[in-house]
Amino acid sequence: EAGVVQSPRYKIIEKKQPVAFWCNPISGHNTLYWYLQNLGQGPELLIRYENEEAVDDSQLPKDRFSAERLKGVDSTLKIQPAELGDSAVYLCASSLSPSSYNEQFFGPGTRLTVL
Amino acid sequence: AQSVTQPDIHITVSEGASLELRCNYSYGATPYLFWYVQSPGQGLQLLLKYFSGDTLVQGIKGFEAEFKRSQSSFNLRKPSVHWSDAAEYFCAVVLEEGDYKLSFGAGTTVTVRA
Repeated sequence: EAGVVQSPRYKIIEKKQPVAFWCNPISGHNTLYWYLQNLGQGPELLIRYENEEAVDDSQLPKDRFSAERLKGVDSTLKIQPAELGDSAVYLCASSLSPSSYNEQFFGPGTRLTVL
Repeated sequence: AQSVTQPDIHITVSEGASLELRCNYSYGATPYLFWYVQSPGQGLQLLLKYFSGDTLVQGIKGFEAEFKRSQSSFNLRKPSVHWSDAAEYFCAVVLEEGDYKLSFGAGTTVTVRA
């Protein structure tokens, strides 16, 4: 069974440029999460999707961050414009449902460097 | 406020020696507790979880963890470490039954020396 796929794995951009990250969850997983992991920290939830609906985006900085999951499968997270402080690893995870009883499976992440 | 505390930022252990990673949480009620491992270039992988019942939980890769309510702790242990156990380990909690929000600690990096 294929795991959660993310691309690109690494991205280097200059500040004020836009950037987008892509995630393909495990087949059949209705719940999709985007996490932010700063250096030396644990992941922090940015947004959770149930199918195509964003049901928890309370931690997403909406002035520059946006996300979509148009067909309830793949998802894209965008930053526009990027700032120096956005340098981090962006993790995508998926689960069968949002219950804590269902394991969240994580992708390898996209490491973003903003210069 | 920090929900989960991992007091050790970095631990070095010899191959074959035992390993214990500490995790403390700061909630009055018993949360649901998890340990994840993150190897370089890999996503986080669930090692084990505790919801209720037996306070000693067995996980994958030979790991176990013990929930101690009196100490608000959920420490991870392995009797004999292999070089492949070098990774970063995260403790995480969920506050409510059926909830999905994982709150992670800052992680402990484990180095294994030959």
